[in-house]
Amino acid sequence: DIQMTQSPSTLSASVGDRVTITCRASQTFSNWLAWYQQKPGKAPKRLMYRASSLESGVPSRFSGSGSGTEFTLTISSLQPDDFATYYCQQYNSYFFTFGPGTKVDIK
Amino acid sequence: EVQLVESGGGLVKPGGSLRLSCAASGFTFSNAWMSWVRQAPGKGLEWVGRIKSKTEGETIDYAAPVNGRFTISRDDSKKTLYLQMNSLKTEDTAVYYCATESYYAFDYWGQGTLVTVSS
Repeated sequence: DIQMTQSPSTLSASVGDRVTITCRASQTFSNWLAWYQQKPGKAPKRLMYRASSLESGVPSRFSGSGSGTEFTLTISSLQPDDFATYYCQQYNSYFFTFGPGTKVDIK
Repeated sequence: EVQLVESGGGLVKPGGSLRLSCAASGFTFSNAWMSWVRQAPGKGLEWVGRIKSKTEGETIDYAAPVNGRFTISRDDSKKTLYLQMNSLKTEDTAVYYCATESYYAFDYWGQGTLVTVSS
């Protein structure tokens, strides 16, 4: 099974900051990599799919990139609504695996 | 508008059983590939299993921790997804979400239903 790691696990940032979250896989897989945002008590919300495709309705300050074993989610200018936990998720050979999450909180 | 509404959660003793339902509306359920994803209290997300559409043979895949204990099924006439959970363990305690799948990821999610396994 592919294992996913995320870094950092917690990120303290200010409104307006550029934020980058990294997701690494234990082995190479095709670019079926998605990113989700989750707020306390709510279901996750998909932000990106296929590594770099922006979900409809998601602000363009979110972007995704990467291939192979390393992927990134970037928020170009952090907004108050963006303080949340972010998860990456991969699909390979019939199984889905989530990363452990990155909590973005207020500095 | 796509809506997914889970139900059936509750408190159950270790070794017990529970069946969750997910009522779908706002899209063509029979064409959808559907998954269950869970989240233990204060923890991250964990995929439980997926069922493909009838045209794809209703193929089902399960995560290793639940394989052999959980069964996913669907009733397209009722637009409902099910998760039958048997031989429940304390580590199965979680909020269980149903979700639709596109591009091998989960685009629409329900609000979740809490399953607590405790004596």
